[in-house]
Amino acid sequence: QKEVEQNSGPLSVPEGAIASLNCTYSDRGSQSFFWYRQYSGKSPELIMSIYSNGDKEDGRFTAQLNKASQYVSLLIRDSQPSDSATYLCAVENSGGSNYKLTFGKGTLLTVNP
Amino acid sequence: DAGITQSPRHKVTETGTPVTLRCHQTENHRYMYWYRQDPGHGLRLIHYSYGVKDTDKGEVSDGYSVSRSKTEDFLLTLESATSSQTSVYFCASHGTVSTDTQYFGPGTRLTVL
Repeated sequence: QKEVEQNSGPLSVPEGAIASLNCTYSDRGSQSFFWYRQYSGKSPELIMSIYSNGDKEDGRFTAQLNKASQYVSLLIRDSQPSDSATYLCAVENSGGSNYKLTFGKGTLLTVNP
Repeated sequence: DAGITQSPRHKVTETGTPVTLRCHQTENHRYMYWYRQDPGHGLRLIHYSYGVKDTDKGEVSDGYSVSRSKTEDFLLTLESATSSQTSVYFCASHGTVSTDTQYFGPGTRLTVL
């Protein structure tokens, strides 16, 4: 059973602060990792993908991957109230070609004005 | 965003009745997926399809069946709905590029009384 664990939260940060979201996974052969954002009552939307060890930056978002530690994280700089949502970590299953994802249960982030 | 629609968006039904949810995508994606999302469990894969008439089970497939007769349509059927199948159901699709990812439909909220 492939597992993806996220800190359950909720995480509350003030506006302008850095929010740090963490995820660990059990499938050592995984090569593709994704962060989705889900607003209440809406569907998940992709915000970041990362495939190689190290950091990947896109605007205020930085994804970090360490395959040796089986750890992936998402940093949100200059957090805004509009960033308040549940963030889902997803890991692509290894050993197949059907692009199946295993999702963590999500971390609820609240950014306080 | 991928053009994925789901119908119906909301449905209330009674225990023991059959229910079919429809997912339609206009991206010509090969892979399609059905998930359910429940508090405390996150997103869990019910069934997926890797081509027309090619489907396989996910981690929570009991009580569900699927069909895919056309690339664009993926149907999820609850043969005899139970209260434990009350959930939000999301459809997703994925193209054939390895660096692509899954894009989600808007979801269907199903209540089984």
